[in-house]
Amino acid sequence: QVHLQDSGPGLVKPSGTLSLTCAVSGDSVSGSSWWSWVRQPPGKGLEWIGEISHRGSTHYNPSLKSRLTISVDTSRNEVYLDLISVTAADTAVYYCARRPDGYYEVDNWGQGTLVTVSS
Amino acid sequence: QLVLTQSPSASASLGASVKFTCTLSSGHRSFAIAWHQQQPQKGPRYLMKINADGSHSKGDGIPDRFSGSSSGPERYLTISSLQSEDEADYYCQTYVSGIQVFGGGTKLTVL
Repeated sequence: QVHLQDSGPGLVKPSGTLSLTCAVSGDSVSGSSWWSWVRQPPGKGLEWIGEISHRGSTHYNPSLKSRLTISVDTSRNEVYLDLISVTAADTAVYYCARRPDGYYEVDNWGQGTLVTVSS
Repeated sequence: QLVLTQSPSASASLGASVKFTCTLSSGHRSFAIAWHQQQPQKGPRYLMKINADGSHSKGDGIPDRFSGSSSGPERYLTISSLQSEDEADYYCQTYVSGIQVFGGGTKLTVL
């Protein structure tokens, strides 16, 4: 059974960098899936951030692309998100998720980690 | 540009049935979508995928009370025999040309 464990700092200062980790178990990040990040601002809906494939290809939300890097470490079986120059608008619960290659749907979600941008 | 449209809210009584609609924007009526449930203060959970022909496949452990169907650009999620734990937000989601798209979500109140 696939399990995704999101983790992060909890609090990031404005203009700083938000860095998150998704530890994957029950599947390999070098297998045939795309690994996504999705966020949810307080009281709002889900917003797709971006995804990375088992081959290291990436797709990013155009509205975040200039500030965003998603990467993987196959030796640790982990997926990473780095978002630079954060503002209060980046305050959200961040989720990692899996989308099998060739499929439309996300079929596994992490439990989410809350990141607050505040001084 | 692909847009998924959902009604913001729905309500139904305990034990009754409710049907959610997710509408695909023009030019995308052949797309499959997925439904996800988000209970209060929890992360989303994958429920099922629905294809344009109405065939669907459910995630692990999803009860038979949850079913899916399709008509034209609309994709449906039906929950029968409503239980209190079904009170949640329901999101539809799909993928096109390197972009994942989410609907705005429907908040279900169980009366």
